[in-house]
Amino acid sequence: EVQLVESGGGLVQPGGSLRLSCTASGFTFSTYSINWVRQAPGKGLEWISYISSGSTIIYYADSVKGRFTISRDNAKNSLYLQMNSLRAEDTAVYYCARVQPSSLTGFMIYTFDIWGQGTMVTVSS
Amino acid sequence: DIQLTQSPSFLSASVGDRVTITCRASQGISSYLAWYQQKPGKAPKLLIYGASTLQSGVPSRFSGSGSGTEFTLTISSLQPEDFATYYCQQLNSYPRTFGQGTKVDIK
Repeated sequence: EVQLVESGGGLVQPGGSLRLSCTASGFTFSTYSINWVRQAPGKGLEWISYISSGSTIIYYADSVKGRFTISRDNAKNSLYLQMNSLRAEDTAVYYCARVQPSSLTGFMIYTFDIWGQGTMVTVSS
Repeated sequence: DIQLTQSPSFLSASVGDRVTITCRASQGISSYLAWYQQKPGKAPKLLIYGASTLQSGVPSRFSGSGSGTEFTLTISSLQPEDFATYYCQQLNSYPRTFGQGTKVDIK
């Protein structure tokens, strides 16, 4: 079964750090780009970071740039999100999502086709 | 950044109803748009990509249309399992922004 499983969430104080993991199974992890998306309680979806299959291209949302670091270890089928200087507004469920390239008439599109179940991060004193 | 605005934000409907949700982009994104369904406590599920292509396994009562700046998601006959929140997402550029969501509730 194609699957992504997040872990590492929990309660952390403001200013603290946390490292999330996303472990893949059922597909060749090393050939896929992956994103992190988060969702604050009762709110919508917010994209926060992207990493290409070989880690050569990385993007961050402005809201986390300079505080969060995305990385991956293809030998371990794992994706990571190192979160530093955490704030109350970082409280959310964090999802990893696989990028699936699809060829349509005249163009390629890169959708988020497989998502993990999410891991909850709570930033509070 | 490309902003996506969905309307309505909340929709009350009955089983069997035809439901339409609109997503407007702040600038042209051709057909680089996807729709997701999310149920409480669950991860989003991809429904439609390329504005109108149905993801494998998604029922044919779901359809998408549009290009440029205006897009629609239509559910032709609402089923009990369709009560959920729906999000559009632009796939034209990073940051990959989402609409604010449309919650479809039972009338």
